[in-house]
Amino acid sequence: QSALTQPASVSGSPGQSITISCTGTSGDIGTYNYVSWYQHHPGKAPKLILYAVSNRPSGVSNRFSGSKSGNTASLTISGLQADDEADYYCSSYTISSTVVFGGGAKLTVL
Amino acid sequence: EVQLVESGGGLIMPGGSLRLSCAASGFTFTNAWMAWVRQGPGKGLEWVGRIKSKTHGGTTDYAAPVKGRIVISRDDSRNAVYLQINDLKVEDTALYYCATEGYSFGYHALDIWGQGAMVTVAS
Repeated sequence: QSALTQPASVSGSPGQSITISCTGTSGDIGTYNYVSWYQHHPGKAPKLILYAVSNRPSGVSNRFSGSKSGNTASLTISGLQADDEADYYCSSYTISSTVVFGGGAKLTVL
Repeated sequence: EVQLVESGGGLIMPGGSLRLSCAASGFTFTNAWMAWVRQGPGKGLEWVGRIKSKTHGGTTDYAAPVKGRIVISRDDSRNAVYLQINDLKVEDTALYYCATEGYSFGYHALDIWGQGAMVTVAS
């Protein structure tokens, strides 16, 4: 099972919106709505920010939103803030009963 | 407080074996599917494998790159999950996290994470 494909880096200015794509295959994203997104600040544990494509856990800002079309899922962060600077990973359940992550996207807030 | 605490990391020579432990508290461990995720130096997150709850058979699934070299087990009486890695390779060097899979929200979301245990494989 190959890793999901994410851009290596994205950037935006405070207040702007950015979108991070996550492309898989019919063996993962294309078959299941079991896409999750994680925020990972260096030195800390990853934090779940979206599950089931677009659902936010309690306490996660509504500036984070998700969508899916075909084999590609997307994370949008609106109203960028300095603290949003982190690595973002997508994951999906697969037809092999495993979970696969994306390679991660480093978000830089300019 | 909901918590996962990994232990057992260290410096191991190639070809050796290691068992990591993860102690859980603050939630109903017996109901939790437990996963291991690793992050190599400068690399992204990699799902390594999981063990289901006894209610769901207590079976395991492993990622293809490590299948055959790792064993995940659990001891519900101790609220603990374990990761045994055999025939360690330099590329197994990573920070190993344990996490719950689908506990709070389902959908195989990894929702509770530990702080990780570092494993370094070098001669």
